[in-house]
Amino acid sequence: QSALTQPASVSGSPGQSITISCTGTSSDVGAYDYVSWYQQHPGKAPKLIIYDVNDRPSGVSNRFSGSKSGNTASLTISGLQAEDEADYYCSSYTPSTTHVFGGGTNLTVL
Amino acid sequence: EVQLVQSGAEVKKPGESLKISCKGSGYSFTSYWIGWVRQMPGRGLEWMAIIYPGDSGTRYSPPFQGQVTISADKSISTAYLQWSSLKDSDTAMYYCARLAYGSGTRPGDYWGQGTKVTVSA
Repeated sequence: QSALTQPASVSGSPGQSITISCTGTSSDVGAYDYVSWYQQHPGKAPKLIIYDVNDRPSGVSNRFSGSKSGNTASLTISGLQAEDEADYYCSSYTPSTTHVFGGGTNLTVL
Repeated sequence: EVQLVQSGAEVKKPGESLKISCKGSGYSFTSYWIGWVRQMPGRGLEWMAIIYPGDSGTRYSPPFQGQVTISADKSISTAYLQWSSLKDSDTAMYYCARLAYGSGTRPGDYWGQGTKVTVSA
């Protein structure tokens, strides 16, 4: 059970949009629409921002959106704000064990 | 209000045992899976194990099978993660998280504040 693959870092300027990819396999990301995304600020617990590929929990900004194509899921943040600077992790359901995270992506808002 | 409150930071020596806890409140503890996530210093998140307090069913991620034990006491709405013999490499922040299934699959819809475990001779 390998971690999902994410870019180590991405950056963007305020107001721009960025996309973070999350690549798995046909056994996890490609097999189920159970991809979640989390935001983690330094020293804080993670926060669920997307579930079931593209659904947002109550209270999460609609600037966050998700999608999936084949074995790759993506998180898009539009209208970047300084407060979006954080680490972002994807996660996928795997039927055999629990869930599996991606390696994480550090977002820098320039 | 849903809350997960974890036990405090621990400093242990290699070879010692440890049990950390996560108390749930504000929801039906027996109706949701609860899991543990490891974050080693400067590293990413790793799902370790999950438990369904309703029937004590468990699932472990392969790297953690045999290394830790997850358990729960539904009478006090508390989940546990324990080690029988700690290693230096167990030094990490450990988070508990609720996993919701049903109205969407929402692993980690609520999180504890984290328990820092330091293992050092």
